[in-house]
Amino acid sequence: DSGVTQTPKHLITATGQRVTLRCSPRSGDLSVYWYQQSLDQGLQFLIQYYNGEERAKGNILERFSAQQFPDLHSELNLSSLELGDSALYFCASSTRGSRDEWQYFGPGTRLTVT
Amino acid sequence: AQSVTQLGSHVSVSEGALVLLRCNYSSSVPPYLFWYVQYPNQGLQLLLKYTSAATLVKGINGFEAEFKKSETSFHLTKPSAHMSDAAEYFCAVSPAGGTSYGKLTFGQGTILTVHP
Repeated sequence: DSGVTQTPKHLITATGQRVTLRCSPRSGDLSVYWYQQSLDQGLQFLIQYYNGEERAKGNILERFSAQQFPDLHSELNLSSLELGDSALYFCASSTRGSRDEWQYFGPGTRLTVT
Repeated sequence: AQSVTQLGSHVSVSEGALVLLRCNYSSSVPPYLFWYVQYPNQGLQLLLKYTSAATLVKGINGFEAEFKKSETSFHLTKPSAHMSDAAEYFCAVSPAGGTSYGKLTFGQGTILTVHP
């Protein structure tokens, strides 16, 4: 158990819908990361937050947005969902958000878009 | 920009045999390198990391990796495979400079199968 929690574990929804994925980092960690894992694209970095502020952005679609709240939990919002958005979404956390740190991964949320 | 190539999407070994999983990186600045393992239906777990200290890095469960700058490689090895090592292994790179902060770029993964 990494100490990172993600809810829900599974999500099934229809095309065009909007969903919210939630992540609670390890106690004491200030930085949160979101990754998408799919069969065709592999593991891809989406976005990083540090203490409520966006720090780095990857291949995140405009239909996706994220934020980190004052209590340090984070939410990833996915809207106008398409079949291709079906994937495993991971949240990770680290203490300082720096390049040399371990990132501790949560168990993931499996999103299925039908 | 940085990238990671894992040679061999599937590796099969016998229990007790040497495990060698290959990783080559490309980075415009000196990198930090990581190996993670993913068991079925689970998140990624940390194995080991290189952050410009010793080039031979020891991790958990008997795994180790050697950073070779001249070969731009960071191969993962374990002298004797155990059935419990069966999983998917990911190599990842984080550049030591630039503005990408904690972004990890992952390889495509190598599925390790261990036969009795």
